[in-house]
Amino acid sequence: DILMTQSPLSLPVSPGEPASISCRSTRSLLHSNGKNYLHWYLQKPGQSPQLLIYLASNRASGVPDRFSGSGSDTDFTLRIARVEAEDVGLYYCMQALQLPVTFGGGTKVEIK
Amino acid sequence: EVQLVESGGGLVRPGGSLKVSCAAAGFTFRGAPIHWVRQAPGKGLEWLGRIKRTGDGYVTAYAASVEGRFAISRDDSENKAYLQMNSLKSEDTAVYYCSRLGDHDTLDIWGRGTMVTVSS
Repeated sequence: DILMTQSPLSLPVSPGEPASISCRSTRSLLHSNGKNYLHWYLQKPGQSPQLLIYLASNRASGVPDRFSGSGSDTDFTLRIARVEAEDVGLYYCMQALQLPVTFGGGTKVEIK
Repeated sequence: EVQLVESGGGLVRPGGSLKVSCAAAGFTFRGAPIHWVRQAPGKGLEWLGRIKRTGDGYVTAYAASVEGRFAISRDDSENKAYLQMNSLKSEDTAVYYCSRLGDHDTLDIWGRGTMVTVSS
């Protein structure tokens, strides 16, 4: 199985400040088609997960442009350019290269 | 509106069985692989398994933690998927989500989840 490791576990951020979350995998997520099968999700309090970023760097429909994803192979980053109150919640990375699908342990973003 | 709605959760005793459902609306259900994911209280997301679409022979796959105890099925005429859970243990206590596999192999639509509690 591909193990996904996120850091930090908790990320207190002041409104308007940037935030960055790291996700590392134990195997390259780069498919032979040139795409990295790494996605990012946000689970807001009391809600189900929602797709933020797909294939490492593409914003899902309706996602604000303050969110961006980068990285390749085994090392990925989610950045929030300026954190807003509505961004609080648990962020998960997920690999979809092979079964079983695996998730990172999650990063809790909270407002200072 | 595109949505998935889980139902059928509840309290079940250790060793018991439960079948939860996932009802789809707003998209072509028969063309969509469906995945199940759970989240234990205060914990992260755990993938459980998936069922492919009719064109791919309804092939299923499971996580090792539930292989042989859980079974996923679907009824395309009813726009529903199911998760049959047998030999339940206390560690199966969780919110159970169904999700659609969409473009780029993303889980792009999620239900609100149904809570399953395994306790005596």
